[in-house]
Amino acid sequence: AQRVTQPEKLLSVFKGAPVELKCNYSYSGSPELFWYVQYSRQRLQLLLRHISRESIKGFTADLNKGETSFHLKKPFAQEEDSAMYYCALGVHGSSNTGKLIFGQGTTLQVKP
Amino acid sequence: EAGVTQFPSHSVIEKGQTVTLRCDPISGHDNLYWYRRVMGKEIKFLLHFVKESKQDESGMPNNRFLAERTGGTYSTLKVQPAELEDSGVYFCASSLRKGPILEAFFGQGTRLTVV
Repeated sequence: AQRVTQPEKLLSVFKGAPVELKCNYSYSGSPELFWYVQYSRQRLQLLLRHISRESIKGFTADLNKGETSFHLKKPFAQEEDSAMYYCALGVHGSSNTGKLIFGQGTTLQVKP
Repeated sequence: EAGVTQFPSHSVIEKGQTVTLRCDPISGHDNLYWYRRVMGKEIKFLLHFVKESKQDESGMPNNRFLAERTGGTYSTLKVQPAELEDSGVYFCASSLRKGPILEAFFGQGTRLTVV
């Protein structure tokens, strides 16, 4: 079964504290993982993709195939990081089709 | 560059009525996706167009939902007749035909409330 699990609905930290948003996936094929973020009153936007192995806004995420995880981390949280974060699994079908399987999302609240 | 735009941003209709949601993808994006998030649940895939062709409609919940993309530009998603459980936020996304097709750009969503 194709599934993404984000175990925490809400994660509340103080400014400057480290942040780790957990994401586990279930997929028999070669996984393509993404993190999307939705700030208040804004649209869903791509934050990270595991293929690029980049750091965006101080966030990083490493794909761990052994643990089937793609946790999102940031060493020092900022108030502007407060948002809803979605982990997504990219699933390719035939003939260049594909879709995203989303987790339920984690609300990150960074307190001053 | 304009992003993905969706109309309306909110819609409140009575059970049994018909509603049509519209999505304008980013110009040049052949891939167009519809997703929705119902209350308390995760965002779920509905269907995928490549230009005007439906490539994958495995996520469409039932035959009350009809999606079209005539001419391969904008898309509409019609719900007829609407039921209470159709309430939620409907997202449209688009991506390039080649390359990272799953790096989708999302619209702001249409919040549908069926009363």
